[in-house]
Amino acid sequence: GAGVSQTPSNKVTEKGKYVELRCDPISGHTALYWYRQSLGQGPEFLIYFQGTGAADDSGLPNDRFFAVRPEGSVSTLKIQRTERGDSAVYLCASSQKPGPDTQYFGPGTRLTVL
Amino acid sequence: QKEVEQDPGPLSVPEGAIVSLNCTYSNSAFQYFMWYRQYSRKGPELLMYTYSSGNKEDGRFTAQVDKSSKYISLFIRDSQPSDSATYLCAMSYSPGATNKLIFGTGTLLAVQP
Repeated sequence: GAGVSQTPSNKVTEKGKYVELRCDPISGHTALYWYRQSLGQGPEFLIYFQGTGAADDSGLPNDRFFAVRPEGSVSTLKIQRTERGDSAVYLCASSQKPGPDTQYFGPGTRLTVL
Repeated sequence: QKEVEQDPGPLSVPEGAIVSLNCTYSNSAFQYFMWYRQYSRKGPELLMYTYSSGNKEDGRFTAQVDKSSKYISLFIRDSQPSDSATYLCAMSYSPGATNKLIFGTGTLLAVQP
């Protein structure tokens, strides 16, 4: 079946602009995660949704970052007033049930802030 | 100090070699231990996961966890050029309020034909 999909695959923006990154999880998966991967590093946790609610947003770096999942399926990561340091690959993962062992990752969105 | 340490490599081996990849960690609360494979410009793909200590084998791959030493390993037997990728270890706590994964930096592996 279809895996986790993310759009766009690449996003180039200018410093100070607003961006939205979209994640479509595997159908039926209730848990959804966002991670950020900088060059040469492993993914870093940003936020975890169980259903529509954010169960853990402790990884969001500051209040410029916000994520929603209004209907418990698709999620959008929103970044305001982008900075050059926000440049990274933003990865989304989903799992059928809450748990660390069953997270399936999408291909990521490569964000470049000029 | 990072919670999870992993040698970034790169590691280059000839085809058919046995590959050993390792991670150490500092947080004794970790209960789940995973290995992901990541090809260039792709998302991580789950290879193996282990709960608590012990060994787990799946085809050419064997994962080992030694909680007393806070050390985990992934062994790849009869390595193939298609195994060339970045290997990420990841860890997590028991299921609960958070199921976040804490990753190592990844080890870049190149298997030479």
